[in-house]
Amino acid sequence: EDQVTQSPEALRLQEGESSSLNCSYTVSGLRGLFWYRQDPGKGPEFLFTLYSAGEEKEKERLKATLTKKESFLHITAPKPEDSATYLCAVQAASSYKLIFGSGTRLLVRP
Amino acid sequence: EPEVTQTPSHQVTQMGQEVILRCVPISNHLYFYWYRQILGQKVEFLVSFYNNEISEKSEIFDDQFSVERPDGSNFTLKIRSTKLEDSAMYFCASSNGGTSSFTDTQYFGPGTRLTVL
Repeated sequence: EDQVTQSPEALRLQEGESSSLNCSYTVSGLRGLFWYRQDPGKGPEFLFTLYSAGEEKEKERLKATLTKKESFLHITAPKPEDSATYLCAVQAASSYKLIFGSGTRLLVRP
Repeated sequence: EPEVTQTPSHQVTQMGQEVILRCVPISNHLYFYWYRQILGQKVEFLVSFYNNEISEKSEIFDDQFSVERPDGSNFTLKIRSTKLEDSAMYFCASSNGGTSSFTDTQYFGPGTRLTVL
């Protein structure tokens, strides 16, 4: 069964304290792995798509990496405005549906 | 920047009533999706729609649910007889679909909060 597990469930950081979020997945043929940001009461906002092991993508303070079993979202010197829930999702080769993890709730304190 | 829009933002209904949730996908997109998120739970896939027909649906998407693209811009989700457990955020998403080698990004709308009393 295709599934996504994210850890930790919640993470509290001080402003400027770098850290990483983990997304472990099992899927029958990976078409793509996606990272989204979700603010309370809002829809998921697209961040990155990763297609193959070894691929990396960056956007401002965020960097996403991918291996054959997991993906990491690295947050460098976070700011309070980075506080949100970060969602990981995979898409299997045989389907266009996204399979989401439970997310990591990030709180960055000033 | 193009975005997916959804109406209403919040819908309150009585159990057993029919509701229609509306979405306007990004204009040049070809694939349309509905997902839902029960409070505190994962985002779950409901249905995908392409070329005026359902291309994939989940176990959740039973006979009480239907989707339609009534014109060139709107995409709707109908729940015929709502149940208490249908209370959730419903998200519409759209994408171009990509190719056999590369998938395309699904862009989500802001959601409709459905409350069934």
